[in-house]
Amino acid sequence: RKEVEQDPGPFNVPEGATVAFNCTYSNSASQSFFWYRQDCRKEPKLLMSVYSSGNEDGRFTAQLNRASQYISLLIRDSKLSDSATYLCAVFNDYKLSFGAGTTVTVRA
Amino acid sequence: EADIYQTPRYLVIGTGKKITLECSQTMGHDKMYWYQQDPGMELHLIHYSYGVNSTEKGDLSSESTVSRIRTEHFPLTLESARPSHTSQYLCASIRGSPSNNEQFFGPGTRLTVL
Repeated sequence: RKEVEQDPGPFNVPEGATVAFNCTYSNSASQSFFWYRQDCRKEPKLLMSVYSSGNEDGRFTAQLNRASQYISLLIRDSKLSDSATYLCAVFNDYKLSFGAGTTVTVRA
Repeated sequence: EADIYQTPRYLVIGTGKKITLECSQTMGHDKMYWYQQDPGMELHLIHYSYGVNSTEKGDLSSESTVSRIRTEHFPLTLESARPSHTSQYLCASIRGSPSNNEQFFGPGTRLTVL
């Protein structure tokens, strides 16, 4: 079983829509959680950390559910520029484990 | 923008060649990492370093080796490249604990072995 699993999508949404997707992790002792954004053929960049109580950063909301071992990302009022692959990352012991990513395509 | 650099950005070589992928960062970060990523797939950690003269293998078995003689430099070497090594290689660095700090990535090296 993979350490981190994501629905690969793609999620094709119109501008202005809300899109949400989850990431599940296998290690219940995982310590911290992140969402990274990766544009096509580019390096990943940190979008936001995920805190136990949930957190927002502008149009982005992240949630953590430790009981069910998943984290979620919600994007409100989608922009064309939100089109990217969103990678879930989970920290265990000494390293970050990444999911394969969820692709979001926002259309005009 | 993160000050982490990788060269070359693209490399096409023949089987059996020895290659070194360069990674440098000017942020004074102590921890550095090498990942391998195939298209549409997750990043796999292949090597990491917690500081000068410290190197460890990651989760993904790799025939590559690394060295960390200087804080800012973390090169990866393949002694004899094979087509199975074709992939994107991403270098990353972080200051402090990776549990609560951003990991900065370099732009990557796309390696093709013919």
